[in-house]
Amino acid sequence: DVKVTQSSRYLVKRTGEKVFLECVQDMDHENMFWYRQDPGLGLRLIYFSYDVKMKEKGDIPEGYSVSREKKERFSLILESASTNQTSMYLCASSLLFGSQPQHFGDGTRLSIL
Amino acid sequence: DAKTTQPPSMDCAEGRAANLPCNHSTISGNEYVYWYRQIHSQGPQYIIHGLKNNETNEMASLIITEDRKSSTLILPHATLRDTAVYYCIVRDPPNFGNEKLTFGTGTRLTIIP
Repeated sequence: DVKVTQSSRYLVKRTGEKVFLECVQDMDHENMFWYRQDPGLGLRLIYFSYDVKMKEKGDIPEGYSVSREKKERFSLILESASTNQTSMYLCASSLLFGSQPQHFGDGTRLSIL
Repeated sequence: DAKTTQPPSMDCAEGRAANLPCNHSTISGNEYVYWYRQIHSQGPQYIIHGLKNNETNEMASLIITEDRKSSTLILPHATLRDTAVYYCIVRDPPNFGNEKLTFGTGTRLTIIP
């Protein structure tokens, strides 16, 4: 079974802090993704990566950065957390080509106070 | 990606088959039908996908009409743990530039004891 593991299920941070969200997958997938999910707004793509050290902006990259130093690990960084970044963050991974689906982690519910 | 239409909510008795419909009348030849579900406060879980043939796995069956304009996800013996929001997505296989997943509003399935 595909396993996508996010480091924390729940996280509380303060405004202005630098926040790291970690994601690890065990299926040797090339693609990795960070989404956020908010009520009424659905799933929105923040960043994705299709290879080590490669990154591509999604629809809402402002205020975020990412790091992919190893194939299995994709980190999301909130450079200076703000209250409007309170959300559910979801990591996903998939193969680079073919019809196989994206697989998601359990999510991190992040609250910025 | 083709637009999908799903009923906002459905109920099903525990132990019975749950049949969740999805209309995708604008689907194009290369687009696959994917089903995910999301249990409250968890990440989306991949269920099944198909192109034009019916598919079955350990979780569910997917029936796609011959004209591919609609499909039905079947959970053969629904349990209380199947209560979730179910999303039908139609999209091309991943390729550079089209990896983003977009979830609609889905169907909220409630399994009744």
